[in-house]
Amino acid sequence: KAGVTQTPRYLIKTRGQQVTLSCSPISGHRSVSWYQQTPGQGLQFLFEYFSETQRNKGNFPGRFSGRQFSNSRSEMNVSTLELGDSALYLCASSLELPGTGYGYTFGSGTRLTVV
Amino acid sequence: AQSVTQPDIHITVSEGASLELRCNYSYGATPYLFWYVQSPGQGLQLLLKYFSGDTLVQGIKGFEAEFKRSQSSFNLRKPSVHWSDAAEYFCAVAPKSGGGNKLTFGTGTQLKVEL
Repeated sequence: KAGVTQTPRYLIKTRGQQVTLSCSPISGHRSVSWYQQTPGQGLQFLFEYFSETQRNKGNFPGRFSGRQFSNSRSEMNVSTLELGDSALYLCASSLELPGTGYGYTFGSGTRLTVV
Repeated sequence: AQSVTQPDIHITVSEGASLELRCNYSYGATPYLFWYVQSPGQGLQLLLKYFSGDTLVQGIKGFEAEFKRSQSSFNLRKPSVHWSDAAEYFCAVAPKSGGGNKLTFGTGTQLKVEL
């Protein structure tokens, strides 16, 4: 079956712009989370959604937002981009409810470069 | 606050040699424990996970990990390394309750395999 699909794979944006990243989870998965990966900060948790509700949020500024649709697809948005937002953004989906700890299947990520 | 420590940033082993990657965690209670692997430009692939029960966990690609509660450790092992195992390895924890499926990652260990 198809894995977690993230689009686009690569993106170049200018400081001050906004960007929207998309994630399609594995069919039937209702839990989606997002992570930011940078060389300096490593892998950091952004948000977690289950059945269109945000269940958890990491320590990121309000410029970072997300949502989940009724078909479990998720988007994250970053407004007023800064150079430090350059990162690999990873989406992951899980079949089980949050708190069950069954682990996520990750997508290949979207590489965002802010210039 | 929970944290995950991977003390080895880089490890080099010869093909065919055994491998052990270290992971220690700091948590209020025993969390769920995971090992993920990341190849360059790719997302994270789950190698194995520990929830409860048998402290020796078998994973994919011939990897195993041992949970030691007294040492708060979850070390990853492989008896004979293949050149294709060269990648970055991440240990991660998730809370069993109250924290959803939020993963806290270690900083990763970069594995190089010499032929």
